[in-house]
Amino acid sequence: AQTVTQSQPEMSVQEAETVTLSCTYDTSESDYYLFWYKQPPSRQMILVIRQEAYKQQNATENRFSVNFQKAAKSFSLKISDSQLGDAAMYFCAYVTQGGSEKLVFGKGTKLTVNP
Amino acid sequence: EADIYQTPRYLVIGTGKKITLECSQTMGHDKMYWYQQDPGMELHLIHYSYGVNSTEKGDLSSESTVSRIRTEHFPLTLESARPSHTSQYLCASRLAGGPIDTQYFGPGTRLTVL
Repeated sequence: AQTVTQSQPEMSVQEAETVTLSCTYDTSESDYYLFWYKQPPSRQMILVIRQEAYKQQNATENRFSVNFQKAAKSFSLKISDSQLGDAAMYFCAYVTQGGSEKLVFGKGTKLTVNP
Repeated sequence: EADIYQTPRYLVIGTGKKITLECSQTMGHDKMYWYQQDPGMELHLIHYSYGVNSTEKGDLSSESTVSRIRTEHFPLTLESARPSHTSQYLCASRLAGGPIDTQYFGPGTRLTVL
């Protein structure tokens, strides 16, 4: 069974600084997709960034970027120039190509941004 | 924010009551999902649907049931609520394309069963 592990239950960062959230996953599949979702307090979960496993180039979305290490099964999220609005729960998720295409989520990392 | 809605947002109810959590989306998405999320924990898939008249159970066993009579509507029903059902329930949808497509989430229903 596929599993997603986020080893940091909580992280904090100073405003304008950079923070990296860790995620590892376990799979025997070769074709899959990885996601980072953000869940602000009492607000809807939204997609932050996604990565296709067949692409070696790391995905970037403005201040958000990933470090995808396929051999190590690692998928960390880097947030640059952190803003107060980045405070949220961040979930790493995984889905395989084909089959039921169900997302498997990690337990999440609570990010606090200090002014 | 995405055009996916859930009602009620908060519900406190007594044991044994029948409840229906509503989820609707106006994006024309074929695939819809229900997740259960305990506070500070990961999401667990409890039901999903690939289209009208299609429903499947997810990875986490649940006593709830779902129906998909219309594309835009995916309600979840608990015939007899129990305190163990206390949790947050999130609905999501996406296009029927590949798994790379974004899942859009509703705001959630926080259910408390006394």
